[in-house]
Amino acid sequence: DAKTTQPNSMESNEEEPVHLPCNHSTISGTDYIHWYRQLPSQGPEYVIHGLTSNVNNRMASLAIAEDRKSSTLILHRATLRDAAVYYCILSYNNAGNMLTFGGGTRLMVKP
Amino acid sequence: DAGVTQSPTHLIKTRGQQVTLRCSPISGHKSVSWYQQVLGQGPQFIFQYYEKEERGRGNFPDRFSARQFPNYSSELNVNALLLGDSALYLCASSLFEGSPLHFGNGTRLTVT
Repeated sequence: DAKTTQPNSMESNEEEPVHLPCNHSTISGTDYIHWYRQLPSQGPEYVIHGLTSNVNNRMASLAIAEDRKSSTLILHRATLRDAAVYYCILSYNNAGNMLTFGGGTRLMVKP
Repeated sequence: DAGVTQSPTHLIKTRGQQVTLRCSPISGHKSVSWYQQVLGQGPQFIFQYYEKEERGRGNFPDRFSARQFPNYSSELNVNALLLGDSALYLCASSLFEGSPLHFGNGTRLTVT
């Protein structure tokens, strides 16, 4: 499986935008980019996924670089509830059930 | 709508014993996946079932087995428990293969 690289941790202030980076330089043409997050004492939660084009949903936006070697998850206005571990995952041909989670980025949100 | 439900929430077993963990998917979801999450690490894929057939298996020993029932619920069995099997076991369901996963809050297994 192609691997992803994320910073171990990031800090943000409440009500400010947050940009969570992910590098995936060995991504193949059929790999989808998935983002999940895990709040304390809960199972992971789906955030967003995409292939080539930028994607938006009610939770976040996903910006994918033109060469697809990196992507950024954008939380437009961080709240305390957004404090979680964010995982960037690649899946072959949108086989979204068999995901390889890495260590993720722990996002801390300061009031 | 009810989310993915897992039982039990916590479990303590002794080395060498066997354990069965249960998962009820979201109504209408036909795919169930199992993941193991060791403290401080991301979840690791164990199994995926779709329409009662095994569709994928992660890098886990044969002591781990699973099945999916006609009502799409699922069980994960682990035999001959080792201390290293202590982890949070997560079940996830999805409408179809490749659909976003919906995770339960897991079963915390402690092996002593």
